[in-house]
Amino acid sequence: GESVGLHLPTLSVQEGDNSIINCAYSNSASDYFIWYKQESGKGPQFIIDIRSNMDKRQGQRVTVLLNKTVKHLSLQIAATQPGDSAVYFCAENSYTDKLIFGTGTRLQVFP
Amino acid sequence: GAVVSQHPSWVICKSGTSVKIECRSLDFQATTMFWYRQFPKQSLMLMATSNEGSKATYEQGVEKDKFLINHASLTLSTLTVTSAHPEDSSFYICSARDYGKGTGELFFGEGSRLTVL
Repeated sequence: GESVGLHLPTLSVQEGDNSIINCAYSNSASDYFIWYKQESGKGPQFIIDIRSNMDKRQGQRVTVLLNKTVKHLSLQIAATQPGDSAVYFCAENSYTDKLIFGTGTRLQVFP
Repeated sequence: GAVVSQHPSWVICKSGTSVKIECRSLDFQATTMFWYRQFPKQSLMLMATSNEGSKATYEQGVEKDKFLINHASLTLSTLTVTSAHPEDSSFYICSARDYGKGTGELFFGEGSRLTVL
């Protein structure tokens, strides 16, 4: 079946450093991907998205890279701040319009 | 921007009772809403797709008679956990798409934490 997974369950970075969170997906037919941030006890918060006709998209301090050849997605956060500490999920929009979430990576930012 | 609201944000109930969770789209109409369940330190798992005016579509392994979904209007979907048991304790999150602007952007509620004693 469809699955979206992450390589690292926890990522610890120093404040000010760049963070890279990775995600692998299995459905080569997927054409839309989204990164979400989830803080404890809250719902997912949209960060950035990318369609399959692109390989890179930039937002404010965040960049998403898509490698369709190896079915890999990454989220880069520049100058990581304590407020960036959260769990990050990649999600894959399936052909049925359902959103399938990856396993998640916890980002911990220390001073 | 568009907002999706859930109520209650948390609820504690006794085993065997039923609990209803509401999901509302506050400034847009949503013909389709999605219900997710999230256990601690795990990802969001799609439970069902709520369709306004018709039956919900459940994901494999989700008991439709236990998790009753009613999408009574274009702004409200409810999830009722019937005869709740401790293993039903979880974080329930709904989402809705806003097609009004053509993008179909998906918005999430803040979640409802259910604790069954």
